[in-house]
Amino acid sequence: DTGVSQDPRHKITKRGQNVTFRCDPISEHNRLYWYRQTLGQGPEFLTYFQNEAQLEKSRLLSDRFSAERPKGSFSTLEIQRTEQGDSAMYLCASSLRPDRGSDTQYFGPGTRLTVL
Amino acid sequence: EDQVTQSPEALRLQEGESSSLNCSYTVSGLRGLFWYRQDPGKGPEFLFTLYSAGEEKEKERLKATLTKKESFLHITAPKPEDSATYLCAVVSGAGSYQLTFGKGTKLSVIP
Repeated sequence: DTGVSQDPRHKITKRGQNVTFRCDPISEHNRLYWYRQTLGQGPEFLTYFQNEAQLEKSRLLSDRFSAERPKGSFSTLEIQRTEQGDSAMYLCASSLRPDRGSDTQYFGPGTRLTVL
Repeated sequence: EDQVTQSPEALRLQEGESSSLNCSYTVSGLRGLFWYRQDPGKGPEFLFTLYSAGEEKEKERLKATLTKKESFLHITAPKPEDSATYLCAVVSGAGSYQLTFGKGTKLSVIP
């Protein structure tokens, strides 16, 4: 297992365009998380899934943001009508359910979004 | 609202010069405190999880400790490859699994 993977690693887009990011978690992990990190800050929680169910969403997740995990495996994060303030590193993490072992979240390499 | 404060913001050490990083937290019911290392342009890499006051974990030159109000990451005889940003995060409350992070401490180890 190579860990959490994210695609693309970098995305440059123009303001107003839609973008979609993909995350593939560690294979046996049933929890998947999305975070956003801006320069000089720690990651901020956006949302998380247990299997295909989206169980928690941050107030940071505006109506322009939507996340899915249709079959409980990979997840996508879509940002509609991007704004310059959306420029950040988008991080995905995965973990086991606590009753099935460690609840440690393991992060992927991130997708760097630049909105021009 | 959970708060995590890390200090110092940046730390420069000579190779071999031991020091400690601090993570102070204010939470409603700590369920776990996590330390991660992050290299520029990469995702955070897991180091340690601490669950209760008095707990300690060690890995190579790093040792993490936990009290009821703060955690320390001790670095013994650091090497240049230890240069990175070290992030502290907490999970608190019942039913929530989101990590609340501090801003990190940027460590530079000079040969």
